[in-house]
Amino acid sequence: EAGVTQFPSHSVIEKGQTVTLRCDPISGHDNLYWYRRVMGKEIKFLLHFVKESKQDESGMPNNRFLAERTGGTYSTLKVQPAELEDSGVYFCASSLGTPLYEQYFGPGTRLTVT
Amino acid sequence: EDKVVQSPLSLVVHEGDTVTLNCSYEVTNFRSLLWYKQEKKAPTFLFMLTSSGIEKKSGRLSSILDKKELFSILNITATQTGDSAIYLCETSGSRLTFGEGTQLTVNP
Repeated sequence: EAGVTQFPSHSVIEKGQTVTLRCDPISGHDNLYWYRRVMGKEIKFLLHFVKESKQDESGMPNNRFLAERTGGTYSTLKVQPAELEDSGVYFCASSLGTPLYEQYFGPGTRLTVT
Repeated sequence: EDKVVQSPLSLVVHEGDTVTLNCSYEVTNFRSLLWYKQEKKAPTFLFMLTSSGIEKKSGRLSSILDKKELFSILNITATQTGDSAIYLCETSGSRLTFGEGTQLTVNP
């Protein structure tokens, strides 16, 4: 069974540009989460989808970040326009249910904004 | 705001040593605490704890939760170099919150 996949694995963009990160959860997992680790700090929660609905988006830092999950399958996280402080590793995770189900993490996308 | 604090932040031991990693939390509407191991890439799941005093065990790793004192410990006995990783604690409460992690290095 394929795990959670993320694309790209690494993205380098200039300040002001737009980047879109993609996450494909494990098939059948209704719950999808986005996290990020910025500059060696702890992993921070961004948002949680249940199918195509945003269950909790309280961790989204500002309106430059837009997450979608059309059709309840894969999800995208768009950063527009990117700022230097957005550099970090963006992780996606999925789970069968919530809250008492383990999350399976993707390998992460390393975003570098120069 | 929910808070998860892990200690120590960094630990260097020799193979065969036993280590104890700590995770304390202040979480609204606490539901569960999870431990992950992160090596090169993504965190991988170790344990989920929901009840106080019930030890979860997997090989040389074990973990227990104290909901009265609001902490959990992760024990690793007879450490091996392959145990070197960042160990992350996450709580599920009003929101999902990670600690900073403990960087464990096991030297031969």
